[in-house]
Amino acid sequence: KAGVTQTPRYLIKTRGQQVTLSCSPISGHRSVSWYQQTPGQGLQFLFEYFSETQRNKGNFPGRFSGRQFSNSRSEMNVSTLELGDSALYLCASSPTGRLNTEAFFGQGTRLTVV
Amino acid sequence: TQLLEQSPQFLSIQEGENLTVYCNSSSVFSSLQWYRQEPGEGPVLLVTVVTGGEVKKLKRLTFQFGDARKDSSLHITAAQPGDTGLYLCAGVPLQDSNDYKLSFGAGTTVTVRA
Repeated sequence: KAGVTQTPRYLIKTRGQQVTLSCSPISGHRSVSWYQQTPGQGLQFLFEYFSETQRNKGNFPGRFSGRQFSNSRSEMNVSTLELGDSALYLCASSPTGRLNTEAFFGQGTRLTVV
Repeated sequence: TQLLEQSPQFLSIQEGENLTVYCNSSSVFSSLQWYRQEPGEGPVLLVTVVTGGEVKKLKRLTFQFGDARKDSSLHITAAQPGDTGLYLCAGVPLQDSNDYKLSFGAGTTVTVRA
């Protein structure tokens, strides 16, 4: 069974630009969560989608947005990039996203803003 | 302030030694999960502990959930270089059990020297 696929793996952008990251969950999984990982803040929750609906959102500015498609694939978008947005962005999928269910992470997208 | 506090932040030991990583909170959790993350990869779930006082063993790894479900520990016996990685605890507080977001500790970086 294929794992969680995130594309691209690496990305370099300039301040002020926008970026779109993609996540393909494990087949049959309907919940997709996104996290930002930085050395200083660790793993911070961005948002979670289930069946195309955003169920929860973390404490990030409105420049961070996401969506989920009918095939459960998800994208996140960051507009007006800032240097502080440089981070590893991780996507996790699970069958339902409910408590105590296992979450499977992708390898992440390393975003560098210059 | 992190919801989940992990200690120590860094741990460097010789192959064959034992180590313990702690995860503490002032909140009660319905369950806690432990992940290991290697450089350039996403976190991989090791175990989920659900019942207060529960002890789970995974080969040389022993996980314990505190009786009050506010803390957990990970003990590695006879550590090997392959145990090197970032160990993360994560969970959803009981008071937020309708939220579909995992909170992560800052992590413990474990280095096992050959």
